[in-house]
Parts: sequence; structure tokens; C-alpha cells
Amino acid sequence: GENVEQHPSTLSVQEGDSAVIKCTYSDSASNYFPWYKQELGKRPQLIIDIRSNVGEKKDQRIAVTLNKTAKHFSLHITETQPEDSAVYFCAATFNAGGTSYGKLTFGQGTILTVHP
Amino acid sequence: DAGITQSPRHKVTETGTPVTLRCHQTENHRYMYWYRQDPGHGLRLIHYSYGVKDTDKGEVSDGYSVSRSKTEDFLLTLESATSSQTSVYFCAISGDGYSYEQYFGPGTRLTVT
Repeated sequence: GENVEQHPSTLSVQEGDSAVIKCTYSDSASNYFPWYKQELGKRPQLIIDIRSNVGEKKDQRIAVTLNKTAKHFSLHITETQPEDSAVYFCAATFNAGGTSYGKLTFGQGTILTVHP
Repeated sequence: DAGITQSPRHKVTETGTPVTLRCHQTENHRYMYWYRQDPGHGLRLIHYSYGVKDTDKGEVSDGYSVSRSKTEDFLLTLESATSSQTSVYFCAISGDGYSYEQYFGPGTRLTVT
């Protein structure tokens, strides 16, 4: 099956700095890569996603890049703020030889702490 | 938040008892998913549904069964709960097989003693 590795597991930055979280995936058929933000005790929230026919996507302070050849994708957060502190998860669709039905494999998560 | 609710939100049960968790959506989405979340493991897919009465296994399906008799409801059953099934369970929905955007319910915290 699909395997998604996420690094780092924890990330600490000062307010205003940039943060980068990286993920690698194993299934070359993966074609959709979302990122979720989860605050303590809350549900995961979709913050940005990218499809395999696009190399980069931006939404205000967050961006995602995809390198299909190397099978890795990254989340970039600029001008970090304390409210960006949360756990971030990457994910990738997996196919298992047939229709994916949108099934996602998640990375293990990154705890981001932004210090004021 | 998308129109997804889960019930119960918290449950404590004893080993060996059956437990059913309910996911209810008001979005008329075709795809529904059950995940469990444990420290160090992220979210792992248990079962999913691609239509009424159409379900299949995910990566951690042992000890779980599901049913979907109507579009809006997706039930997850632990036939005989074990301590290893203590976890937070999230339901998610997705509109169609192309857009893939999944939206999560509020979660159910299950403790098996």
C-alpha cells in the first residue's frame, strides 16, 4: 500500500519566521495531496491541496509544492503567527491497483509551535 | 464546517462489549470514510464507502465492520471491543472521486477499559 513519510515531527519557530514541512510518498499513481491543520481537541481542517498536474499552489501565507519525479511535496508557511501553532498532516491518495475512491494515506504529523 | 455529525462524542465501554459509532452527513456526499487517530500514527483508514451498501476495507480494518443503508449515515461497529481499539475515531466525507476533498466530523473519543 501507500506509505507517506513526514518530517520533521516537531518544528519550533519564532513569530514572523517561515516554516517548511516535507512529505514523501511511495505510490507513483497518487494524484492528490492535501494538507490538514489540527488544533488540540479539534477535527483536522483542510488548509490547502495540490493535484498532480500542478507544481505549486499558494493561498495567502501558505503554499504547497510538488515534485512528482522525486515523489515529495512540501508545505510552506510564511510570516508565521502564534495561531499557526497546531499539528499539520500531509496526505496522498492511494490507488491499490484500482480506483482510489479518494482514499488517503496520512503522514505521522508535525507539531508546529510558533513562539511570540 | 461541513454538515457532519458524529455520535456519541465520548464513550467508555468494557472489553468484549459491542460498540456502534454513527456518522451523519447532510451534504449528500457519495464517499464516506472512517479513520482512527492514535499518537505517533496520524490518521489511519479503517473502512470506506463509495455508495449506499458499497463499502470496503482500509488499512486497519481488523475488528471493525461498517454499514451504509442510506446516503447520510455510515455506521462503524466494533463487534467485541478491545483495549487496542481505544482511540479517537473520525468520520470524513467527500463529494466525488475527482475532487477528493475530504471534510472531517468532530470525532468520537472511545475508551475501552
